[in-house]
Amino acid sequence: QSALTQPPSASGSPGQSVTISCTGTSSDVGANNYVSWYQQHPGKAPKLMISGVSKRPSGVPDRFSGSKSGNTASLTVSGLQAEDEADYYCSSYAASSGYVFGTGTKVTVL
Amino acid sequence: QDQLVQSGGEVKKPGAAVKVSCKASGHTFTNYGFTWVRQAPGQGLDYMGWSSAHNGYTIYAQKYQDRVTMTTDTSTSTAYMELRSLRSDDTAVYYCARGTSVAGPFDSWGQGTLVTVSS
Repeated sequence: QSALTQPPSASGSPGQSVTISCTGTSSDVGANNYVSWYQQHPGKAPKLMISGVSKRPSGVPDRFSGSKSGNTASLTVSGLQAEDEADYYCSSYAASSGYVFGTGTKVTVL
Repeated sequence: QDQLVQSGGEVKKPGAAVKVSCKASGHTFTNYGFTWVRQAPGQGLDYMGWSSAHNGYTIYAQKYQDRVTMTTDTSTSTAYMELRSLRSDDTAVYYCARGTSVAGPFDSWGQGTLVTVSS
């Protein structure tokens, strides 16, 4: 199972928006709505930010939103804040192999 | 308060095995399963497999299938991951994470365990 494809980096100034894409196949992202996004700060464990394509767990700011079209999912961070600077990973369930993560995107707040 | 606490870092020689534990608290253990994810230095997240504390069902990523065993112990609310025939490229931080389904999402993560493989 190949990793989902994400851009290596994305950036924006405080207050701006940044959108990260996550491209898979019809066997994973395109096959179901089990798409999640995780945030990881350096030296820390990942944190769930979005589940089920667009659901925010309790405590996650509404600046974070998710969507999906076909085999590509997206995470948008609106109103960028300094603490949003981190690595972001998408993930998807794949019935044939269990689970797959994206390649990761480093978000920089300029 | 939901919490997953992993065992401490390990240093192993090539060819050895390592067993990492993940003790859960703050929730009903058998309502969940546990995935194991590893992250090599400077690299991304790599899914290793899933083990259900409800019924013992396990599924492993193909690349680890021959070398990994994941188990859960309901008497101690602890999940385990054993990786055998270690190689230098197995050096990584190993995370456990909790979910209600093999399909995720995984909403609570352990702090990570650094496993170093070196002769």
